[in-house]
Amino acid sequence: QGQLVESGGGVVQPGRSLRLSCAASGFTFSNYAMHWVRQAPGKGLEWVAVISYDGSNEDYADSVMGRFTISRDNSKNTLYLEMNSLRVENTAVYFCVREASTATTGWFDPWGQGTLVTVSS
Amino acid sequence: DIVMTQSPDSLAVSLGERATINCKSSQSVFYSSNNENYLAWYQQKPGQPPKLLIYWSSTRESGVPDRFSGSGSGTDFTLTISSLQAEDVAVYYCQQYYDTPYSFGQGTKLEIK
Repeated sequence: QGQLVESGGGVVQPGRSLRLSCAASGFTFSNYAMHWVRQAPGKGLEWVAVISYDGSNEDYADSVMGRFTISRDNSKNTLYLEMNSLRVENTAVYFCVREASTATTGWFDPWGQGTLVTVSS
Repeated sequence: DIVMTQSPDSLAVSLGERATINCKSSQSVFYSSNNENYLAWYQQKPGQPPKLLIYWSSTRESGVPDRFSGSGSGTDFTLTISSLQAEDVAVYYCQQYYDTPYSFGQGTKLEIK
């Protein structure tokens, strides 16, 4: 089924940068598109970004376009999210999620446990 | 962008009774070329990541109890739990994957009456 483990969260000041990582195991990472989804404290789910299986295509939510960059290293089975110019409203648990199928479909399974990013002065 | 709206925001149902959660999309998520609705449902329990329940609006994920069912087409969808169990207490989300930006409903909190 696969396992995803996020890391890199923490407390950061507004305007600063942070890079999240997601280590994948238990499946052939290079065969799957990958996403980041976030959840602000006590709020709902918000899709953030997607990257194709080979890293050749990316797409972003308007709210992070130009500030966040999704990338992957298939040799390391790792997904990344580089977050620049962070804002207080970016405070959230960030989940690493996998497309459920190698045929790009759009529903997500499995999900990582998430890593909390707190943007505060 | 496609906006997903769930109703109700919260719901209290007695054990063994039926629970029904609705999800409406701002535009159709039905793709005629493959006759599929691009709609999934997730369950999230406190302190846990969401869990996939249903995709293609009505296909139950492997291992999901058959008391969970999805229905609907176009813009209107329903998640039904036929006989509520205590372990079903959670927040439920619908998600469209018809087009990016993918989007979720605001969630429906399901509790025991």
